[in-house]
Amino acid sequence: DTGVSQNPRHKITKRGQNVTFRCDPISEHNRLYWYRQTLGQGPEFLTYFQNEAQLEKSRLLSDRFSAERPKGSFSTLEIQRTEQGDSAMYLCASTPRDRLLNEQFFGPGTRLTVL
Amino acid sequence: QKEVEQDPGPLSVPEGAIVSLNCTYSNSAFQYFMWYRQYSRKGPELLMYTYSSGNKEDGRFTAQVDKSSKYISLFIRDSQPSDSATYLCAMRANQAGTALIFGKGTTLSVSS
Repeated sequence: DTGVSQNPRHKITKRGQNVTFRCDPISEHNRLYWYRQTLGQGPEFLTYFQNEAQLEKSRLLSDRFSAERPKGSFSTLEIQRTEQGDSAMYLCASTPRDRLLNEQFFGPGTRLTVL
Repeated sequence: QKEVEQDPGPLSVPEGAIVSLNCTYSNSAFQYFMWYRQYSRKGPELLMYTYSSGNKEDGRFTAQVDKSSKYISLFIRDSQPSDSATYLCAMRANQAGTALIFGKGTTLSVSS
């Protein structure tokens, strides 16, 4: 399967703990996005990378959230001091360099539960 | 008022029916209009996108955009049980960054 992969698929943590998620985009896709989706809602944009540069961040991305894409390949999303309101599905998407930005291909997501 | 409004349903139809899914929006700057399908506990899957107004057809799926009314539709012909999923509309303005703005999604159930 050459789609976007995300790990772990599920994460349960206690409030106040730090968590880190990983996204491996489709090979050769230089653009990568993170979204958050809560139950009954559509995905909400968090941040965007073109290669290793983080070019956009949503106001939803509080100081407790940080994302990196150090070599322009995989990306990590870290949440520090998790809160119950952080419980959601965290989705990663990618776009190849020769496609429009609206053609975003999503991974299966990481489901976070904060107890 | 949210930028993109979508009736969450659920919508239940018998196999073979024509399904109409709709979204309205308020931001006249939106130029790209996408439809995604999301199965339970999976990531969204891009079905098709349309630029500006007009129609686009892909197999059993037809997307329509009416920018004057700020209204988009997805029609599914000859619906199948495998079409049972949540359908999300998404939009983007060319000069407003990379973010897709999604509706809440409409849950569709096709019974055999």
